[in-house]
Amino acid sequence: AQSVTQLDSHVSVSEGTPVLLRCNYSSSYSPSLFWYVQHPNKGLQLLLKYTSAATLVKGINGFEAEFKKSETSFHLTKPSAHMSDAAEYFCVVYGNKLVFGAGTILRVKS
Amino acid sequence: DGGITQSPKYLFRKEGQNVTLSCEQNLNHDAMYWYRQDPGQGLRLIYYSQIVNDFQKGDIAEGYSVSREKKESFPLTVTSAQKNPTAFYLCASSGFLGGNTIYFGEGSWLTVV
Repeated sequence: AQSVTQLDSHVSVSEGTPVLLRCNYSSSYSPSLFWYVQHPNKGLQLLLKYTSAATLVKGINGFEAEFKKSETSFHLTKPSAHMSDAAEYFCVVYGNKLVFGAGTILRVKS
Repeated sequence: DGGITQSPKYLFRKEGQNVTLSCEQNLNHDAMYWYRQDPGQGLRLIYYSQIVNDFQKGDIAEGYSVSREKKESFPLTVTSAQKNPTAFYLCASSGFLGGNTIYFGEGSWLTVV
C-alpha cells in the first residue's frame, strides 16, 4: 500500500521569501517521488523527480526537494518566491502504482 | 514538438448523452492514463493502458469507457451512467507504467448542462 499526504492545502508567502511545501509518503516499495506544478486551467508540468539517486534533487525554476527516508518526507523548497510561482503543486509517489497528493495551492503576495 | 494533445478543451454535455474526449501523443510512449480532477481531491485515476489493445480500470472507472486501438491514441468516453461527470479531465503518458516521468496534456473541461 502507498499514500501521499500534503500537509498544507494552502500556503501563502511574500515575493522574495522562501517557499516550503510539505509532503509525507508511505510505500511498501522503494518509491520514486515527483513534484508537479499546475497553473490554472493547465495540465501538470514536472518540477523534479527522485528515483533513488541523490537525495537532494534539483528541479526547474529554482525548486529543489530532499528525500528523507527516515522521516518519509519529500518536501519542496525554493529560496526566493516569484509571482509566477503561484500555482497548485502536487506530490506524487510511485511504488507499484502512481498515487497523487491532494495538492497545495501556493499564493505569492507582492 | 513531442507532446500530448487533448481535445476539446471545453465541452458541454446534456444529461443522458455520451461524450468522448480525445487524447493523442507523439512521444512514442507505451503507457497512457486518464485522470479526473476535482477541487481539493487531487487526481484520481480512471483508466490506464500499458500496451495497444489492453487497458485496466483505475480507482473510479464506473461510468467511463476507453479504447486503445493505436499506440498514440487513448480516447475516453464519459457515458450517461457517470452520475457526476462535470470535472477537469487530464490525459497523460509515460515510457512505461509508472516509475518513469509522466507527461500531461492541457486537460479538458467537461460540464453537464
